[in-house]
Amino acid sequence: DIVMTQSPLSLPVTPGEPASISCRSSQSLLHSNGYNYLTWYLQKPGQPPQLLIYLGSNRASGVPDRFSGSGSGTDFTLKVSGVEAEDVGVYYCMQDLQTPRTFGPGTKVDIK
Amino acid sequence: QVQLQESGPGLVKPSGTLSLTCDVSGVSISYNNWWSWVRQPPGKGLEWIGEIFHSGTTNYSPSLQGRVTMSVDKSKNQFSLKLSSVTAADTAVYYCGRTGYDNDDKSVARWGQGTLVTVSS
Repeated sequence: DIVMTQSPLSLPVTPGEPASISCRSSQSLLHSNGYNYLTWYLQKPGQPPQLLIYLGSNRASGVPDRFSGSGSGTDFTLKVSGVEAEDVGVYYCMQDLQTPRTFGPGTKVDIK
Repeated sequence: QVQLQESGPGLVKPSGTLSLTCDVSGVSISYNNWWSWVRQPPGKGLEWIGEIFHSGTTNYSPSLQGRVTMSVDKSKNQFSLKLSSVTAADTAVYYCGRTGYDNDDKSVARWGQGTLVTVSS
């Protein structure tokens, strides 16, 4: 199984300031088709996971452009250019290159 | 607008079978994507349970293999999860979802609101 790790696990942020979350996989997520099969989800309190970024760097429909994903192979980053109060919750990375799909442990983002 | 809604008993006895159904609206269950289940124990992270294609092809988590069964009912546009021999460790919020990519390599990922299943006598 591909093991996903994230850092930090907790991230207090100041509104308007940037934030960055790292995700690493135990195997490369780069497919021969050129895509990195890495997805980012945000789970707000009491809600299901909502899709933010797919294939490593593609923003999902309706996701504000302050969210961006980057990286390739085994190292990926989610950046928020200026955190807003509505961005609090737990951020998960997930690999969907192969089964079993696996999630990172999650990064809890809250407001300082 | 694609919507998914989980339903099923909220309480299951130890050693019993957990059975959940996911009603899908806004898209045909015969669309070429995966139909998935994940779960989240109280206060913990997300765990992938498995996925099923409309053809019946399945992929299950190795840690649950042997206890999990998924099925699709095209006539009702729904899919189902059965987990046998449950213990307290299976207590979790269970989410059904649509996952995979469309023909333009855009993710179709979307999850239902989730349903809490408690295993207790």
